[in-house]
Amino acid sequence: QVQLVQSGAEVKKPGASVKVSCKASGYSFTSYGISWVRQAPGQGLEWMGWIDCYSGNTNYARRLQGRVTLTTDTSTGTAYMELKNLRSDDTAVYYCAREDVGSSSYWLDPWGQGTPVTVSS
Amino acid sequence: SSELTQDPAVSVALGQTVRITCQGDSLRNYYTTWYQQKPGQAPALVIYGENNRPSGIPDRFSGSSSGNTASLTITGAQAEDEADYYCESRDTRGVQFGGGTKLTVL
Repeated sequence: QVQLVQSGAEVKKPGASVKVSCKASGYSFTSYGISWVRQAPGQGLEWMGWIDCYSGNTNYARRLQGRVTLTTDTSTGTAYMELKNLRSDDTAVYYCAREDVGSSSYWLDPWGQGTPVTVSS
Repeated sequence: SSELTQDPAVSVALGQTVRITCQGDSLRNYYTTWYQQKPGQAPALVIYGENNRPSGIPDRFSGSSSGNTASLTITGAQAEDEADYYCESRDTRGVQFGGGTKLTVL
């Protein structure tokens, strides 16, 4: 079945970087894009960016531009999200999700299980 | 802050019908997508496209839209429908999520 499996929880200090992986299985990796979404404790969903897994083209959320980098390894079917210069308000659960496209519609399905990232001194 | 506006909380009696709404200018350009999130779980797709449900989503869930307002309707709400619901749309900058609606089934 189509599945995205993410790497495990991380604890980082302010100013450090974190890199989260998202391994895809059950479909052709390069036929879809991957979006990354985060959710701070008790808060809503925040879109971080998107990567085309075929071309490597990216689109980043304006407020994270310059700190977030999305990449892929097509040989292993894995997507990566790296966030630099971490701050305490980056503490959140980070999700990857496959993007599908239809006529005048886009959707994210499935989602990875989430990776908690805690930023604390 | 989100440019898609949702009511923070809605309640419904067991077995009754509830409508969760989402407002925003970007909803005029694309169909709205809806996700359900239960505590401690990742979001899950419930409605996409004109009014499509992924396999496994009961037919009591339906979607509709008019102008800048999209709606998720649950006809005959069940206890297991208690969750947070998020709308999603797109604009030239990328993906937007609504702030979420917490649905309580009484």
